[in-house]
Amino acid sequence: QLVLTQSPSASASLGASVKLTCTLSSGHSSYAIAWHQQQPEKGPRYLMKLNSDGSHSKGDGIPDRFSGSSSGAERYLTISSLQSEDEADYYCQTWGTGTNWVFGGGTKLTVL
Amino acid sequence: EVQLVESGGGLVKPGGSLRLSCAASGFTFSSYSMNWVRQAPGKGLEWVSSISSSSSYIYYADSVKGRFTISRDNAKNSLYLQMNSLRAEDTAVYYCASDIYWGQGTLVTVSS
Repeated sequence: QLVLTQSPSASASLGASVKLTCTLSSGHSSYAIAWHQQQPEKGPRYLMKLNSDGSHSKGDGIPDRFSGSSSGAERYLTISSLQSEDEADYYCQTWGTGTNWVFGGGTKLTVL
Repeated sequence: EVQLVESGGGLVKPGGSLRLSCAASGFTFSSYSMNWVRQAPGKGLEWVSSISSSSSYIYYADSVKGRFTISRDNAKNSLYLQMNSLRAEDTAVYYCASDIYWGQGTLVTVSS
């Protein structure tokens, strides 16, 4: 079964960097994922699509501070030079059979 | 500017029906698969349904199969979700989304 696992929470200081992880279930390590950001009281925003080889394509207007990388079944979102507006929920998402989407549980990022 | 604007949400009694609409602009709507994604209060994102660009392929989450119907009108740049036999657990903000664009959501509350 295709499952995405994310840590429920993460925190980092203003100006620092943070690396969020999304883990694909066994047998699905070749899958691409997408990262989405949801700021408080807002709809989600697409950040990037991240392939298994680490290549990624970002959405319009996404700052260079956001980058993605991959290792095996893990997909990472790194945010550098953290700003207060980066405090948000971050969801990874992939594509199952047909075109159905599968979401991870989300990581709540706190900027200290 | 890309816009996805949902409408049609509201308060409905259990067992009732509601039809959500999503008006798209700023991109070639007819070229994209589209999705409905929902978020219950305080919870994560849950994929509901998807429809291919020409409506040839349609998929539903098990939780809504047989009760919800997705459709689109490419001439009107619009996506729809007909929701029947609504339950309390369908209470959520409903978002329309392509792979890279999201709407701002419309709230559906199912309560007596």
